[in-house]
Amino acid sequence: EPEVTQTPSHQVTQMGQEVILRCVPISNHLYFYWYRQILGQKVEFLVSFYNNEISEKSEIFDDQFSVERPDGSNFTLKIRSTKLEDSAMYFCASSDLLVDEQYFGPGTRLTVT
Amino acid sequence: QQQVKQSPQSLIVQKGGISIINCAYENTAFDYFPWYQQFPGKGPALLIAIRPDVSEKKEGRFTISFNKSAKQFSLHIMDSQPGDSATYFCAASRGYQKVTFGTGTKLQVIP
Repeated sequence: EPEVTQTPSHQVTQMGQEVILRCVPISNHLYFYWYRQILGQKVEFLVSFYNNEISEKSEIFDDQFSVERPDGSNFTLKIRSTKLEDSAMYFCASSDLLVDEQYFGPGTRLTVT
Repeated sequence: QQQVKQSPQSLIVQKGGISIINCAYENTAFDYFPWYQQFPGKGPALLIAIRPDVSEKKEGRFTISFNKSAKQFSLHIMDSQPGDSATYFCAASRGYQKVTFGTGTKLQVIP
């Protein structure tokens, strides 16, 4: 069964550094999303992406964040200058044009020290 | 108005018992209500979903009950098993827009 994959599974970085989290959505999906989950809390929406542009973003998704689909398979989330409070699990999700279900990847645990 | 409220925060059920998790929403524009199951260190996995034109949906041991007028929906897990121990999130969305998650219920099924 097709699935969303994410790399790396765990990223440790120092405050102020840039990180890029990578995702490979399900191949025929057209809608892409990033969510984050701070330890023990609920999953929060960051941004949605369709047709090579952002379709919606949350208040969390400020100028430090950016997304890109650099090729036909990858979808990336960049944090330009990480803060301690960026430490969380980051989940990529994708969905098909014909259905509403969003399928989530296994996540990248980001630890900012 | 975008919130989805979920209760209880945690739940302990004996093996073979019924687990019930409740959710309520405010935004009547939501038209899709999925439940996700999450194991520690893993991503949320779609478990079962319902649309507001249906009052109940059953898949195996999992049933969603939906009350459109009360803006409430619930997940029932029949014959709960230790393997069901996980965190369950109710959620709501509209079309291809973001999924709004509830706060989660940590379920523990004890033998």
